Amino acid sequence: DQQVKQNSPSLSVQEGRISILNCDYTNSMFDYFLWYKKYPAEGPTFLISISSIKDKNEDGRFTVFLNKSAKHLSLHIVPSQPGDSAVYFCAASAVKEGNTPLVFGKGTRLSVIA
Amino acid sequence: EAGVAQSPRYKIIEKRQSVAFWCNPISGHATLYWYQQILGQGPKLLIQFQNNGVVDDSQLPKDRFSAERLKGVDSTLKIQPAKLEDSAVYLCASSLRRAHGDTQYFGPGTRLTVL
Repeated sequence: DQQVKQNSPSLSVQEGRISILNCDYTNSMFDYFLWYKKYPAEGPTFLISISSIKDKNEDGRFTVFLNKSAKHLSLHIVPSQPGDSAVYFCAASAVKEGNTPLVFGKGTRLSVIA
Repeated sequence: EAGVAQSPRYKIIEKRQSVAFWCNPISGHATLYWYQQILGQGPKLLIQFQNNGVVDDSQLPKDRFSAERLKGVDSTLKIQPAKLEDSAVYLCASSLRRAHGDTQYFGPGTRLTVL
């Protein structure tokens, strides 16, 4: 039972264009959402997050949009750069007995072509 | 600031053998996590420590996996005996606390291959 779904295993985008990565979730108790980026042979690194009380959060070239009614979030990267080529994981959490365990999607591999 | 350290980076063992992984979190981080990432999947939480106590081990296969963080700093994850399906990358992460806004910082992982 996958609670966080990233239905696109891969995405290719031209340098300078917009990259849009999508994520859907099923657990309505999730109230915090994150995106992590992973390069080969490295651990995931935190990119950006959003609380369920917001519908948008922006950090430089990265913007995350949250649509609670659709249980959907997306990550926009504008403009895309070759260094953005990596696997992007969507993650979600809900408070559970004082903890906030992260549930990850399977990831989307982004390739930015120069 | 030094990041999360893990060793070894790679390990190959035969099924039914034992293996142990080590993690040293970022200094001062009270919360430590072990994740299992099978190829093509996202990381899955195995166990979470708050200082030297376990706060969530609901997804840890306790018949073969064990973990400890005796002094509330570094941690060891053990598998005994290993099965073929344990082949994965084992990631350690740490955070200052366990609240929503506390970023989890990941180490580079240990890639385990069970033959």
